[in-house]
Amino acid sequence: KNEVEQSPQNLTAQEGEFITINCSYSVGISALHWLQQHPGGGIVSLFMLSSGKKKHGRLIATINIQEKHSSLHITASHPRDSAVYICAVLEYGNKLVFGAGTILRVKS
Amino acid sequence: DGGITQSPKYLFRKEGQNVTLSCEQNLNHDAMYWYRQDPGQGLRLIYYSQIVNDFQKGDIAEGYSVSREKKESFPLTVTSAQKNPTAFYLCASSTLRTGGTGELFFGEGSRLTVL
Repeated sequence: KNEVEQSPQNLTAQEGEFITINCSYSVGISALHWLQQHPGGGIVSLFMLSSGKKKHGRLIATINIQEKHSSLHITASHPRDSAVYICAVLEYGNKLVFGAGTILRVKS
Repeated sequence: DGGITQSPKYLFRKEGQNVTLSCEQNLNHDAMYWYRQDPGQGLRLIYYSQIVNDFQKGDIAEGYSVSREKKESFPLTVTSAQKNPTAFYLCASSTLRTGGTGELFFGEGSRLTVL
């Protein structure tokens, strides 16, 4: 069983829709990252969370430490949001483990 | 500007040859990581290092070796023992500060092709 499970694996949305990507993990963590990977391979960090909620523009990330669950929300989705979104957990001892990613396609 | 630099971006190698991928960061991060990504798959951890002169195996360390002689540098050697080395390799560095804040940066990746 993977330590980090993401859902859905693939997601197609219409422009303007509200999108949610979920991440569940099974180990104790120091922090959780939400990342974005574009074609070509480059990865950027969107959020780092250890509790609560963070917002940046149209992106919102939440984490529930007790339930070992995090969500990434995109409001008013746009075709430029199309990318792979990855959840990564920083385990105690600094081991950083990735989920398999969610492929998001937003159609205009 | 602070950042993380991987090189080379593209690399071709003949079967049976070792090859070393470079990863350098000037962010003063303690932790550094190497991942492998195959087409259509997620990133898998090869090795990671929390501190100079120390490193741990990840999930797929067989056929790879690393060193961490300097805080800034974490080179990865893909040895001839790695049975399927053609892949995209990503280096990352991170820091975690008191209070749960921190940073995570990625290199641009190195695409290795074995001919």
